[in-house]
Amino acid sequence: SQTIHQWPATLVQPVGSPLSLECTVEGTSNPNLYWYRQAAGRGLQLLFYSVGIGQISSEVPQNLSASRPQDRQFILSSKKLLLSDSGFYLCAWDQREGLEQFFGPGTRLTVL
Amino acid sequence: AQSVTQLDSQVPVFEEAPVELRCNYSSSVSVYLFWYVQYPNQGLQLLLKYLSGSTLVKGINGFEAEFNKSQTSFHLRKPSVHISDTAEYFCAVSGDQAGTALIFGKGTTLSVSS
Repeated sequence: SQTIHQWPATLVQPVGSPLSLECTVEGTSNPNLYWYRQAAGRGLQLLFYSVGIGQISSEVPQNLSASRPQDRQFILSSKKLLLSDSGFYLCAWDQREGLEQFFGPGTRLTVL
Repeated sequence: AQSVTQLDSQVPVFEEAPVELRCNYSSSVSVYLFWYVQYPNQGLQLLLKYLSGSTLVKGINGFEAEFNKSQTSFHLRKPSVHISDTAEYFCAVSGDQAGTALIFGKGTTLSVSS
């Protein structure tokens, strides 16, 4: 069966510090991968998605970036965090766009 | 372009009462429809999905939803809720064409009290 992991589960970082969140999927190959952010009361915001290694599409211009160094690994990064980057970050995968996505447990990021 | 509207941001109900969470969508193509549930500080879990076939879809935890093409709706229902159903619920839509990812609604917070 397929599983999706995210780490860390929680993170507290000062403004201006770098960020690296990792997501890995097991039990499938060639998945589409997604990064979402949930800010309080604002629903799900799609940040990035990837259909293959090295292929990243950005949905929202901001100080975050994503990379996919391996087929089942998706990384969300920032060089300098802003207060507005605080939120709950979710990674998801699907086998084909438009069908159900499977979500990881999420990372709670607090920027102080 | 597709969009999803969840008509209620918050729905408070008492335990054992019935509940309906409303979802309307707009799309110019055939759609796939989904309901997800999110418990506090967790990821989203699929409750049910409509891809084709019967318009009444049954999901986990006693939930069901009905696809109504003429009203472009996909409302989620449960005849008797429990305290443990307290969570955020998201409706999502996608098209049956390649390259159309899921579009999520803004979510409905269901609060069940005793």
